[in-house]
Amino acid sequence: GESVGLHLPTLSVQEGDNSIINCAYSNSASDYFIWYKQESGKGPQFIIDIRSNMDKRQGQRVTVLLNKTVKHLSLQIAATQPGDSAVYFCAENSGYQKVTFGTGTKLQVIP
Amino acid sequence: DADVTQTPRNRITKTGKRIMLECSQTKGHDRMYWYRQDPGLGLRLIYYSFDVKDINKGEISDGYSVSRQAQAKFSLSLESAIPNQTALYFCATSDSWGETQYFGPGTRLLVL
Repeated sequence: GESVGLHLPTLSVQEGDNSIINCAYSNSASDYFIWYKQESGKGPQFIIDIRSNMDKRQGQRVTVLLNKTVKHLSLQIAATQPGDSAVYFCAENSGYQKVTFGTGTKLQVIP
Repeated sequence: DADVTQTPRNRITKTGKRIMLECSQTKGHDRMYWYRQDPGLGLRLIYYSFDVKDINKGEISDGYSVSRQAQAKFSLSLESAIPNQTALYFCATSDSWGETQYFGPGTRLLVL
């Protein structure tokens, strides 16, 4: 079946470096993607989204890139800070009543 | 997100017991959802509601029921809890289907 997955379950980065978290999706009909951040003991929080008619979208310190050719989504975090430590996961909307969440990547920021 | 609250935050119960998890939101959204989260798995949808008169099953609704008491309240019940229902449960709301969802802090449930 269709699924959303992440390449790396755990990512460790030095404070101040840039982080890149990847997500592969398999449903070519997906037209809307969201990245969520989940800190320990908390619910997922919206970070940034992107629609399928875009390749790139930037927020504050975060950028999402969408490559529809290879069905790949990435989240880039600039100048990673200790407060960025969390689990990040993507979600794809492939149509009515079909939102699929990835399993998540744990980002560890090394001071 | 303080706009979406869940009670209780933690619950331990025994096999066969009936329990209810409650969710309230102040975002004014019509759409509400219940998910469970298990280690190594993505969020899985249990039930969702588009308005007070609308209730729909998600992908894993067996063993669960819900009630939409008002626009702001959506409760999840386990009629007879079993150990494999041990999980982290999240309530969420949204303006429209598939768009950004706002999650509550979660309820950690342990069924012995």
